[in-house]
Amino acid sequence: NAGVTQTPKFQVLKTGQSMTLQCAQDMNHNSMYWYRQDPGMGLRLIYYSASEGTTDKGEVPNGYNVSRLNKREFSLRLESAAPSQTSVYFCASSEVPRGRTQYFGPGTRLLVL
Amino acid sequence: DAKTTQPNSMESNEEEPVHLPCNHSTISGTDYIHWYRQLPSQGPEYVIHGLTSNVNNRMASLAIAEDRKSSTLILHRATLRDAAVYYCILRDGDTGNQFYFGTGTSLTVIP
Repeated sequence: NAGVTQTPKFQVLKTGQSMTLQCAQDMNHNSMYWYRQDPGMGLRLIYYSASEGTTDKGEVPNGYNVSRLNKREFSLRLESAAPSQTSVYFCASSEVPRGRTQYFGPGTRLLVL
Repeated sequence: DAKTTQPNSMESNEEEPVHLPCNHSTISGTDYIHWYRQLPSQGPEYVIHGLTSNVNNRMASLAIAEDRKSSTLILHRATLRDAAVYYCILRDGDTGNQFYFGTGTSLTVIP
């Protein structure tokens, strides 16, 4: 099992460009999450999907949109990237909503110039 | 979700026990205590969790104070692979979809 996979691993954008970060899990989990981690900081939740067909805002949703494409895949879109969105983005999944254990992907490093 | 307070950094000698403290004085009755760790350039990984009683697993032990206002993660024998940032997180067992990560404790293991 690959667990949680994320693409791309690294991306450089110019201010105003758009991009979609992809996340997939092969553990048949119901819930998926997107976090961002700024240098020297802990993770902050952007959006989550408790189950297929539902999405909800987390702590820092502004500037992002998400799509739960199917049970396996959860994408994060930046419509107009800003330097403040330079960060490392982590996707995670859990078996059920409010699952006691979240499994994290390796992260996507995003640099917005 | 209630907040937690952890020391910014700690050091330990290799093969010695490590006690990582966490204060959570505003914890509520339904809050679970979770510990995750993040190795360099990786995503966080689950370590252990508990509600009221002390917990043991193959990675670590979790000691929870009787009043639940603090807890301690115990690594019984630190190895160089245990060098990571350790996060203590509270999650409401009834409503908590979200984990709130603080800045954690950066553990350095000295050979």
